Amino acid sequence: DTGVSQDPRHKITKRGQNVTFRCDPISEHNRLYWYRQTLGQGPEFLTYFQNEAQLEKSRLLSDRFSAERPKGSFSTLEIQRTEQGDSAMYLCASSQTGVNQPQHFGDGTRLSIL
Amino acid sequence: DQQVKQNSPSLSVQEGRISILNCDYTNSMFDYFLWYKKYPAEGPTFLISISSIKDKNEDGRFTVFLNKSAKHLSLHIVPSQPGDSAVYFCAASFTGNQFYFGTGTSLTVIP
Repeated sequence: DTGVSQDPRHKITKRGQNVTFRCDPISEHNRLYWYRQTLGQGPEFLTYFQNEAQLEKSRLLSDRFSAERPKGSFSTLEIQRTEQGDSAMYLCASSQTGVNQPQHFGDGTRLSIL
Repeated sequence: DQQVKQNSPSLSVQEGRISILNCDYTNSMFDYFLWYKKYPAEGPTFLISISSIKDKNEDGRFTVFLNKSAKHLSLHIVPSQPGDSAVYFCAASFTGNQFYFGTGTSLTVIP
């Protein structure tokens, strides 16, 4: 399977705990994106990387959220001190560099906060 | 502030007929538009896109139309098939990086 891979698929945790998600993009894609999707909404942009550089962050990405892409390949998204409102589907996407390139999504990590 | 809007939460169409899904946007700087299809428990799958220099793009049974003056795009599926039943999201971008998504339209194709 050469698509975008996300791990884990589901994560259940107690409020206040830290969680980390992993995304492996399509291998030839230099750009990597994180989105969040809640029930009845479309995906909302969180942040994006060009290789290892984090180039853009949404105001949705509070200081409890941090994303890394240390070697320009896989990426991690960490949420510290989770809150009920963090319950959502976290989607990763990747694309080639260039103008008007579609983003290709993984199947997401569903986070549930107890 | 929803910059991309899909005002029809659901649509039902008979198999073999045309499905038309609509999307409106408010930001005149958007210059790249896409449609994604999503099945339950899967991520969105890219379907078709159009840049603002065109008003139509076709790929097999799928055609996207863009009306810049009306800030409106639509996706036509002809003929509709039961396997097309899914949630369809439109998305728009002006930087090529951050995509703004609508809230989705659930399409049901009735055999």
